[in-house]
Amino acid sequence: NAGVTQTPKFQVLKTGQSMTLQCAQDMNHNSMYWYRQDPGMGLRLIYYSASEGTTDKGEVPNGYNVSRLNKREFSLRLESAAPSQTSVYFCASRDRDYGYTFGSGTRLTVV
Amino acid sequence: AQRVTQPEKLLSVFKGAPVELKCNYSYSGSPELFWYVQYSRQRLQLLLRHISRESIKGFTADLNKGETSFHLKKPFAQEEDSAMYYCALSPTNFGNEKLTFGTGTRLTIIP
Repeated sequence: NAGVTQTPKFQVLKTGQSMTLQCAQDMNHNSMYWYRQDPGMGLRLIYYSASEGTTDKGEVPNGYNVSRLNKREFSLRLESAAPSQTSVYFCASRDRDYGYTFGSGTRLTVV
Repeated sequence: AQRVTQPEKLLSVFKGAPVELKCNYSYSGSPELFWYVQYSRQRLQLLLRHISRESIKGFTADLNKGETSFHLKKPFAQEEDSAMYYCALSPTNFGNEKLTFGTGTRLTIIP
């Protein structure tokens, strides 16, 4: 049981490049989330998906797009990366009774 | 709007001394409160949730609705407790399950 799997673990982008962060969960959870973690700011919600086929903005959605491809997968896309998007990105999923499970994170640097 | 406040960014405690990490919240409805722990460069792990009323790794936390607090306590600190701790809140009404984090407290246990 892998839980929540994120790829890649590390990435360096040049300003203006695009990329997609992948997230998959094998726990049959309905809800999935993308957070970014920055020093002194904790974790801030970028986007979330309460169920397959739905997505909603979180606290800091600007510069990002998401796709809930199916129940298992929830991807985060940066269309034109900026240095302000340098961060550690965490994907999470939730079972209503059990709580949230987090992936191991993607460390992104935009130069 | 939901908000979580962790007033201490850094906390240093001697091994064997008591630990208290403070967490205050604001939310107009009935919240679900969590404590998450993140060891160096690892994923976030659930430490406690208030509805389960468990004691994990010697830590406890009591929800005080009058003071809107959910402080994390441990009577005797151990070196392996050194980590980043996040308090988090989620509404309990189904369909609005966004987890809001505090900015975190870095706990260092001094040998």
